[in-house]
Amino acid sequence: GAVVSQHPSWVICKSGTSVKIECRSLDFQATTMFWYRQFPKQSLMLMATSNEGSKATYEQGVEKDKFLINHASLTLSTLTVTSAHPEDSSFYICSARHKAGGIRRIDFGPGTRLTVT
Amino acid sequence: RKEVEQDPGPFNVPEGATVAFNCTYSNSASQSFFWYRQDCRKEPKLLMSVYSSGNEDGRFTAQLNRASQYISLLIRDSKLSDSATYLCVVLYSGGYQKVTFGTGTKLQVIP
Repeated sequence: GAVVSQHPSWVICKSGTSVKIECRSLDFQATTMFWYRQFPKQSLMLMATSNEGSKATYEQGVEKDKFLINHASLTLSTLTVTSAHPEDSSFYICSARHKAGGIRRIDFGPGTRLTVT
Repeated sequence: RKEVEQDPGPFNVPEGATVAFNCTYSNSASQSFFWYRQDCRKEPKLLMSVYSSGNEDGRFTAQLNRASQYISLLIRDSKLSDSATYLCVVLYSGGYQKVTFGTGTKLQVIP
């Protein structure tokens, strides 16, 4: 079964509103969680790396004030898209690295499809 | 130059064929390598890790060439169910962790 969950699985919101996406590791502790987005017919693009208890590291070109990441516990990270605009419509996926599994174990969430109207 | 590069394809191959994908990476300090499979509109799923000595899992064989900075995936006896996009993933863990995906190679196995 799934070991990483995301909520919601899809969301439609109006331009200018904020949307929060949750990523949970279900039966393991995740020291590091990664957030990606994927536009249609394009590759996954890493947005940020989130370590529990510390500030996220954002990739170049990703606005940290627009995409707020909170990794408050070893099983939960949240991504908040603030003041969403239609160009933010995308497929957002998180992944979690197992604390006990070494660097080779990374599991992905099922993704959240965001549509901003 | 992109950090991780793959031929986007598509590779259209008949059932039973052998097909190989390559992936090159630019950061020589990269530490771990993986092949993931992504079906349309689904999350990527780990296919196999890539070890320095090369490794095999059934019909799938992965190779790593650190000197030339590329990894490869060989699929033998292709099945229709192998049709998907194959993503090369490179993990760098020096100081901070960074996971970089290739753009993916699309494989279509034809009856």
